[in-house]
Amino acid sequence: EDQVTQSPEALRLQEGESSSLNCSYTVSGLRGLFWYRQDPGKGPEFLFTLYSAGEEKEKERLKATLTKKESFLHITAPKPEDSATYLCAVQPPDYKLSFGAGTTVTVRA
Amino acid sequence: GAVVSQHPSRVICKSGTSVKIECRSLDFQATTMFWYRQFPKQSLMLMATSNEGSKATYEQGVEKDKFLINHASLTLSTLTVTSAHPEDSSFYICSATDGFSYEQYFGPGTRLTVT
Repeated sequence: EDQVTQSPEALRLQEGESSSLNCSYTVSGLRGLFWYRQDPGKGPEFLFTLYSAGEEKEKERLKATLTKKESFLHITAPKPEDSATYLCAVQPPDYKLSFGAGTTVTVRA
Repeated sequence: GAVVSQHPSRVICKSGTSVKIECRSLDFQATTMFWYRQFPKQSLMLMATSNEGSKATYEQGVEKDKFLINHASLTLSTLTVTSAHPEDSSFYICSATDGFSYEQYFGPGTRLTVT
């Protein structure tokens, strides 16, 4: 069974204080690992897809990296608008996504 | 591009009634659509997968007679919660894929409250 564990559950940051979110996973044949952002009461917003160990992708203040067992989402110099829940999901060959419980990030001005 | 809409965004219904939720891909053809539910402070749980023109595949533990899914066209899938009960109250989210990439694009979600 595919498993995704995200840590920490919650992260409170001061504006400008960089940090990293962890996503550990076990999956039978990884097709892709996805990062989404979810605001309260909204659907997930796609951020990144990573396909192979060693791959990195960046978007504004976010950078995602992937190893064979985990992925990190680095937030550099966060702003209050980066406050959200960040979800990690793995996709095996059947295209279904298995989500982690998420990390809720709060950035204080 | 890759916009998915859901309607309604919020619905309140009485126990025992049925409610239909629509999921539309606005600017692409969705070969496959997925339905998830999310309880407060929990992650998304996949309920079922639907392919256009064929029967939906339900995840273990999801009652197919209670959660009726129809994927009648390449841009529309519907989820009908039949004989709803308070425990069905949840946030229902759909996603869609175009079959060419691995990404799933999510709708904004529908908040269902059963009184």
